[in-house]
Amino acid sequence: SQKIEQNSEALNIQEGKTATLTCNYTNYSPAYLQWYRQDPGRGPVFLLLIRENEKEKRKERLKVTFDTTLKQSLFHITASQPADSATYLCALGGSYGQNFVFGPGTRLSVLP
Amino acid sequence: GAVVSQHPSRVICKSGTSVKIECRSLDFQATTMFWYRQFPKKSLMLMATSNEGSKATYEQGVEKDKFLINHASLTLSTLTVTSAHPEDSSFYICSARPRQGEMRGANVLTFGAGSRLTVL
Repeated sequence: SQKIEQNSEALNIQEGKTATLTCNYTNYSPAYLQWYRQDPGRGPVFLLLIRENEKEKRKERLKVTFDTTLKQSLFHITASQPADSATYLCALGGSYGQNFVFGPGTRLSVLP
Repeated sequence: GAVVSQHPSRVICKSGTSVKIECRSLDFQATTMFWYRQFPKKSLMLMATSNEGSKATYEQGVEKDKFLINHASLTLSTLTVTSAHPEDSSFYICSARPRQGEMRGANVLTFGAGSRLTVL
């Protein structure tokens, strides 16, 4: 069955450092992969989408890589700030009509 | 940008009563809406997929008679928790996906803010 893992349940880093979150999957061939941010008591918010034929995507301080051979995506936040503290979810998607599959999430804490 | 409104954000009810949660896409038409349940510090658990004009597709283990889903229009889906019990207390979240070809892409989900249900 499809399985998605995110490197750790919780990650603490110092302000200003780069946070790197990992998403690994098995038994799936997604057409694209997405990252969402979720704050406590709120619904997730879309951040970035990367397609299977793309290696890297950037948006401001965010960078996502997608390696379909390793079946892995890395999500980087550079120059991290306490305001970046949240839970980050990766999600896999196939062609339109297929449901998304969400990972368990990583709770990131950026310490001042 | 795409906005999904979910209402109510918090609801407290007595055991045995039914609670309805609404999910509306405000500036786009959503042929598909998804309902999730989330326990504290846990990830999203997909409950059902709601397609406009047809019956919802429920995930394994989710009681369809307990969690009634109606998707009567392209902008509204409702989840009714019938005869709620304390174990139904949870955070319920909806998401919507625009029609294929509409907006920035049908591959992005827009989530509601969630509804915190507490059953006494």
